[in-house]
Amino acid sequence: EAGVTQFPSHSVIEKGQTVTLRCDPISGHDNLYWYRRVMGKEIKFLLHFVKESKQDESGMPNNRFLAERTGGTYSTLKVQPAELEDSGVYFCASSQEVGATEAFFGQGTRLTVV
Amino acid sequence: KQEVTQIPAALSVPEGENLVLNCSFTDSAIYNLQWFRQDPGKGLTSLLLIQSSQREQTSGRLNASLDKSSGRSTLYIAASQPGDSATYLCAVRPYNTDKLIFGTGTRLQVFP
Repeated sequence: EAGVTQFPSHSVIEKGQTVTLRCDPISGHDNLYWYRRVMGKEIKFLLHFVKESKQDESGMPNNRFLAERTGGTYSTLKVQPAELEDSGVYFCASSQEVGATEAFFGQGTRLTVV
Repeated sequence: KQEVTQIPAALSVPEGENLVLNCSFTDSAIYNLQWFRQDPGKGLTSLLLIQSSQREQTSGRLNASLDKSSGRSTLYIAASQPGDSATYLCAVRPYNTDKLIFGTGTRLQVFP
């Protein structure tokens, strides 16, 4: 069974450009999460989807970030326009149920904004 | 506000030693606690998940304990090997939310 898959693994863009990150969760997992680690800091929650609905987007830093999960399958996270402080590693995770179940993470997308 | 702290931040030991990594959290109202491993440039690999009602979990040479009332968890690694070198992260899932709160991790190096 395939794990959580993220594309691309690395992205280098210029300030002001747009970048779209993609996450394919484990098949059958209704819950999908985005997290981010910026340099020197701990991994922080961005948002949580249950199927195609946003359950919690309290961690989204600002309105330059837009997450979608059309059809409740894969998800995209778009940053537009990107700023220097958006650089970091963006992780996606999925779980079968909410609450007490294990979360499985992808390999992350390293975003560098120059 | 839940905060998670991991001590030490870095650890370098010779092969064969038994290790203890510490994780503390400020609010005991949690569903569970999860330990992860991250290799350089790679994603997070789940090692152990301890539910709030459990005291410990074991997988191979790894043993994780949870003392929810005191806000502490330890990850015990027996007979460490160079392949154990990685960053170890703990994360708690608070009640009334479905997000994980992460610590900053312990960077472990095991040398031959």
